[in-house]
Order: sequence, then structure tokens, then C-alpha cells
Amino acid sequence: DAEITQSPRHKITETGRQVTLACHQTWNHNNMFWYRQDLGHGLRLIHYSYGVQDTNKGEVSDGYSVSRSNTEDLPLTLESAASSQTSVYFCASSESRGSTDTQYFGPGTRLTVL
Amino acid sequence: SQQGEEDPQALSIQEGENATMNCSYKTSINNLQWYRQNSGRGLVHLILIRSNEREKHSGRLRVTLDTSKKSSSLLITASRAADTASYFCATGGSARQLTFGSGTQLTVLP
Repeated sequence: DAEITQSPRHKITETGRQVTLACHQTWNHNNMFWYRQDLGHGLRLIHYSYGVQDTNKGEVSDGYSVSRSNTEDLPLTLESAASSQTSVYFCASSESRGSTDTQYFGPGTRLTVL
Repeated sequence: SQQGEEDPQALSIQEGENATMNCSYKTSINNLQWYRQNSGRGLVHLILIRSNEREKHSGRLRVTLDTSKKSSSLLITASRAADTASYFCATGGSARQLTFGSGTQLTVLP
């Protein structure tokens, strides 16, 4: 069955370190998204991609970067981790079909920055 | 800022009762979707309603959409303990993105 996976599921790191969160989908979806979820804020869009070599900034992109070298993967990099980036990170994918854009989510990565 | 805002933020009901959650949004949309999130898990799509639809059903779920009021409601009938979760509305516009609200935490007591 097609799925979307994230790794690691839990990560503890120190302030200033570079961290990369992996996202891999086997849906063959063109669209991929990274969100962060914090209490009181719901899901906020960090970066998104509509296809290979395409990346775009979302609402809260400062301090994050992504790259899309193939259809299946969209890794999220925190260039220099900050305590404010402690959060739960979700990756999602979708295949545009007219006006639907239903998204399929990974299980999430809980990141703690000390 | 978020497009959708759910109301109430938290809802606690007894098993067998109906649960109603509301979502308001600000700009024009192509569709509105509802997702469920169980504790510690990713979001799961429940139902989608297009902007030209007023009501949609799926099993025990009923969604309504009022584009003139920019609002939607999700009704879960005959709630079960397994329905305990957070529920999010998400609006889709002309781009391929979704904008999520802050969610309603539903607790169904056995």
C-alpha cells in the first residue's frame, strides 16, 4: 500500500545544530508539504513543493529549507536549530485533481531543541 | 494567520450523543475539508465539500457549507469513544495548498 513516512519519529538536538527531517512518499504525488504543529496554532505551512526542483516558502519558512530532487522525497532542514523550533513536524502529500487537493499525512516527527 | 477557525475549541459529550463542530473562514474557497487527528498521530482526511455543494454525508458524518456566511459544520452522529480526537477544517483555494484551522478537541465519554 502507498504510504508517507517520516524519520526520525523523535529527535532531540542542541541549539545551533543543523537538523534534517526526512519525508518519503510512495503515492507518486507531485505535491508535498511540511507543516509544524504547536499548541494554539494548529498546523502552519513551512515549505511546499509542486514537483521536482520546485520549492516554495510557506507562512513560517524562516530558519528552514527544503530541496526536491525526486518525486518521493522532501527533506526539511533546520540550518541552525533554535528553541523556538521545538515542535511536531508533519509532512503531507497530495495529487491535484481538479479542485480537491486532499492531503495525506505522515505520522509526524517530534523535535526538541535544547 | 489561519483561514479557518473552529468552534468550540473543546467539546466533551457522552457516547451515543451527537457532536457538532463549526468552522469559519475568511476568503473565497474551492472546497472545504475536515480532518481528524488522533493523539500522537498524523491527520487523516474525513470528508470534502466543494464550494457549490451545501451538504454532504459520509457514514455518521454530515458536513454543511454556507458560502454566504463563510462557515461549515461537521456533525458526528451517535458518537463513540473511538471518535475521541482533534478535528480540523481546512480550506482549499485556487492554489494547491490547504489552510488549516486550530482544531476542536472532541472527547467522547463511555
